[in-house]
This record gives sequence, C-alpha cells and structure tokens, in this order.
Amino acid sequence: AQTVTQSQPEMSVQEAETVTLSCTYDTSESDYYLFWYKQPPSRQMILVIRQEAYKQQNATENRFSVNFQKAAKSFSLKISDSQLGDAAMYFCAYRSSKGGSEKLVFGKGTKLTVNP
Amino acid sequence: EAQVTQNPRYLITVTGKKLTVTCSQNMNHEYMSWYRQDPGLGLRQIYYSMNVEVTDKGDVPEGYKVSRKEKRNFPLILESPSPNQTSLYFCASSLSFADTQYFGPGTRLTVL
Repeated sequence: AQTVTQSQPEMSVQEAETVTLSCTYDTSESDYYLFWYKQPPSRQMILVIRQEAYKQQNATENRFSVNFQKAAKSFSLKISDSQLGDAAMYFCAYRSSKGGSEKLVFGKGTKLTVNP
Repeated sequence: EAQVTQNPRYLITVTGKKLTVTCSQNMNHEYMSWYRQDPGLGLRQIYYSMNVEVTDKGDVPEGYKVSRKEKRNFPLILESPSPNQTSLYFCASSLSFADTQYFGPGTRLTVL
C-alpha cells in the first residue's frame, strides 16, 4: 500500500522569505499523481499544486513550486515570498493512476506559521 | 459557481441517533468520495463512488453507509453514531478517478 510521509509537523517562516515543506512517499507504481493541499483555519481544503509522475518538469503555480524527485520518491513544496495568508496546514497527497486505486493517500500534514 | 456543498457544517448529536450528512456537487463529476480528518492522522477515505449506483469501501468504512442514487449527491449515513466518529468530514468530487479532487467545506461532527 502506498504511504505518504511528511516529516515536519511544524515549520515557520518570516514574511517575504522562502520555505520548503518536505514530503516523501512509497509506491511500487510508475505512474501516479502527487498533490499539495492547503488547509487554512477555515478548514477548507484548497488545491495548491499538482504533479503528474510522467512529467519530468516540476509544476509551478505563482509563488508555489515543487521539487519532484521520482527516483528518490520525494515531492517537496517551495513557497517563495511567503505571505501571512500562507499560514495553514499543508498536506501532501498521492493518487494512483490505476483503476481500482481511487483514493487520495494523505500525509499527516505540516503546520506552517508565517511570522510578520 | 462550481462547488461541492455539505450540510450541515456543524452537528452535535448523541450516541445512537441516526444522522445523514449531505454532499452535493454541481460540476457533473462522476467520482465522489468521503474522508474523515482526525488530529495527527491526516485525512482517511471512508467510501467512494465511481458513478451512480457504484460505491465501494475506503480505508475506514466501519460504522458508515453511503448511497449514490443521483450523480450530484453522495450522502454519508451514520446509522448509530458513536463517540469515536467525532471528526471533521470532507466530501470531495472529481471528473474521474484520475482527476484532481475538489473538496467541500467540511462538516464538524461531535457525538456525545
């Protein structure tokens, strides 16, 4: 079974600086999807970024980018120019591309604090 | 506006009193799913549905039921709630199982 590990329960960053959140996963599959979700205090789950495993190019969305290392099974999230509104729980998630494995497997999350 | 809605958003109930949490999406998505979120455990899948009348168990289905009679709705039923079902529940949907899942706002359930 696939597992997702976020080794940093909590992280903090100064406003306007850069922070990287770590995520590793375990799978025997070659094709899959990886996601970062943000959960602010409102509890809403918001998609931050998505990466297809067959794509070598790292996904980017404005200030958010990933470092996808397929061989190392690593999928870290970099937040540049951190803003107070980035403070939230961040969840890394894995999804198989095979039929019959429809669920998202989540890590336990990293709580990000942004200091003014 | 494309969205997933859940009702109620907050619910306090007592052990054994049947309840239903509704989930509806207006995006014509085929795939829908229920998750529960507990501190230190992340999100875990309860049930999912690939399409109308097609449902299957996730990782933690015990104590829950679902139905998918219409494409847009996927209610979660707790026939006899217990305190260990106190949790934050999310409904999610996607166009297909391989697409990005979009989440509802969550339902905070407390079972006394």
